[in-house]
Amino acid sequence: GESVGLHLPTLSVQEGDNSIINCAYSNSASDYFIWYKQESGKGPQFIIDIRSNMDKRQGQRVTVLLNKTVKHLSLQIAATQPGDSAVYFCAENQAGTALIFGKGTTLSVSS
Amino acid sequence: DAGITQSPRHKVTETGTPVTLRCHQTENHRYMYWYRQDPGHGLRLIHYSYGVKDTDKGEVSDGYSVSRSKTEDFLLTLESATSSQTSVYFCAISSSGSTDTQYFGPGTRLTVL
Repeated sequence: GESVGLHLPTLSVQEGDNSIINCAYSNSASDYFIWYKQESGKGPQFIIDIRSNMDKRQGQRVTVLLNKTVKHLSLQIAATQPGDSAVYFCAENQAGTALIFGKGTTLSVSS
Repeated sequence: DAGITQSPRHKVTETGTPVTLRCHQTENHRYMYWYRQDPGHGLRLIHYSYGVKDTDKGEVSDGYSVSRSKTEDFLLTLESATSSQTSVYFCAISSSGSTDTQYFGPGTRLTVL
């Protein structure tokens, strides 16, 4: 079936670098996308979302980019900090059903 | 955790025993969800509720039942726990269903021996 996936299971960066986490989706009917952060032993935490009528949305130190032509979603974290170390999930809404989650990318930030 | 609590936070039980997990919210959100999270599978939807007494099945509903008698509480029951139900269970809430952000609780770690 169609599902959300991530290009890389792990990403290691140095403190202060910019991080880019990627996600590919296959359902062209999806119209809502969310990025979550999950720290060890905790529940997923909402970071930022974007709807299909937009191609970019910015938050505090984070930017989400949506490319509907190639069905690609990315999360950019500026000036990555050790506290950003976590697993990051993208999720897509498939109209009429619940959110579908990818398996996650583990971001490791070294100082 | 957006006004969501889960109880218990940890539980160890034996195969064949009934188990009930509780999710409680203070946000008055209409939608509530139960997910399980397992290595290699990510988050998978078990059941969800779109209102009091209104529930529906998710991707992995076999062996689970749910009830919602009031807006703030959503219960997940394993009628006869099996080892394959060892997992971390998360409750989530949203105000407008799948086209809206879901906020997650802290999770319940369940071990079935």
